[in-house]
Amino acid sequence: DAGITQSPRHKVTETGTPVTLRCHQTENHRYMYWYRQDPGHGLRLIHYSYGVKDTDKGEVSDGYSVSRSKTEDFLLTLESATSSQTSVYFCAISEAPRSQETQYFGPGTRLLVL
Amino acid sequence: AQSVTQPDIHITVSEGASLELRCNYSYGATPYLFWYVQSPGQGLQLLLKYFSGDTLVQGIKGFEAEFKRSQSSFNLRKPSVHWSDAAEYFCAVVPDQTGANNLFFGTGTRLTVIP
Repeated sequence: DAGITQSPRHKVTETGTPVTLRCHQTENHRYMYWYRQDPGHGLRLIHYSYGVKDTDKGEVSDGYSVSRSKTEDFLLTLESATSSQTSVYFCAISEAPRSQETQYFGPGTRLLVL
Repeated sequence: AQSVTQPDIHITVSEGASLELRCNYSYGATPYLFWYVQSPGQGLQLLLKYFSGDTLVQGIKGFEAEFKRSQSSFNLRKPSVHWSDAAEYFCAVVPDQTGANNLFFGTGTRLTVIP
């Protein structure tokens, strides 16, 4: 299994509070991704990174920001959490773009916003 | 709109029976195609992928999938299902016209296996 960890694994927070989720990899892969998984929607891309300090938006980026100051860490921040951001969040990594390389997924973070 | 469709939300099969999970896409060019499996409480694991070449692709755990360009389909099959195959299955597509490594997922098919 690819070395991907996510923290925390579970979190309950209140509307309006900031939340940061961390993805850590030990594979030295260049590309990292944040997805959210919701019933009836499958997984949707929030943001991705193609190198240190290089990030771009995915299809559902509103209300989220990301940072990548080191190859191994990719942070997802909800500046002011809303109930609509209750979801399961998955981090993924890959060595190369355009998916000639497989994406490997972390175990997920379950977030509940009350 | 471009999309990935898994028309079956939930499928129930008997252990030992054959399985086919459907996936259709609407992207114009030939995309890259994937099937992932997610066991309860777990992340996603790649079963198989298609980029080019032989349209019948073999994967892990005895799964295979066939790319049919004329039908824009990439259906997943297994000849004999085991109880441990109970999980959720996601078809995913990377449109080759995109400039980044984005996966667009279908909404998933939950597989229940009965004894």
